[in-house]
Amino acid sequence: DTEVTQTPKHLVMGMTNKKSLKCEQHMGHRAMYWYKQKAKKPPELMFVYSYEKLSINESVPSRFSPECPNSSLLNLHLHALQPEDSALYLCASSQVDRGDEQYFGPGTRLTVT
Amino acid sequence: AQSVSQHNHHVILSEAASLELGCNYSYGGTVNLFWYVQYPGQHLQLLLKYFSGDPLVKGIKGFEAEFIKSKFSFNLRKPSVQWSDTAEYFCAVNGKVKFSGGYNKLIFGAGTRLAVHP
Repeated sequence: DTEVTQTPKHLVMGMTNKKSLKCEQHMGHRAMYWYKQKAKKPPELMFVYSYEKLSINESVPSRFSPECPNSSLLNLHLHALQPEDSALYLCASSQVDRGDEQYFGPGTRLTVT
Repeated sequence: AQSVSQHNHHVILSEAASLELGCNYSYGGTVNLFWYVQYPGQHLQLLLKYFSGDPLVKGIKGFEAEFIKSKFSFNLRKPSVQWSDTAEYFCAVNGKVKFSGGYNKLIFGAGTRLAVHP
């Protein structure tokens, strides 16, 4: 199984809402990532978890809050977002310490109204 | 700091034409190199990768890429494109630096949008 799954596929939320994005993988990968991708742009790294610990926060605003409950799951909690946060949010996973490729999920298309 | 440059932002070809997409990177150490493809409405998929060994690597769907260390390049090629190759192509670099957490930090190029006309 080389699949990374993400739910929901689409999400529309108001600026005062609280919502969560979910990501799951069963490849035994111990590194998991959140990316943000705007239209016609490359993915931008947001967070990296390694062995369930937050390793990198790329200066992401606190209205985005990641969580890694276990080695297979990664969440992104959203609160008080701005319209400019509308984007495709991608989850990825990889082996650690080997420089291997990252496996990407299909993404959650987020629209903030 | 690492960076990746993709020279062609938008390429339009007819079916059966040959394809070459340029990718140059900037990094002083050893790198792992990747080409990812994003078909319309689909997720990012790995086309091919280079870690070491033969600098000419073959990937899925008839794609290949050549690593030229002296030129810091990793260009993607396909001898004859098909309409189904219409997609966004991203070159990415992962410097072989052992970060404190052991993760991999991919640096993506800006992407090349390929449109193939029948």
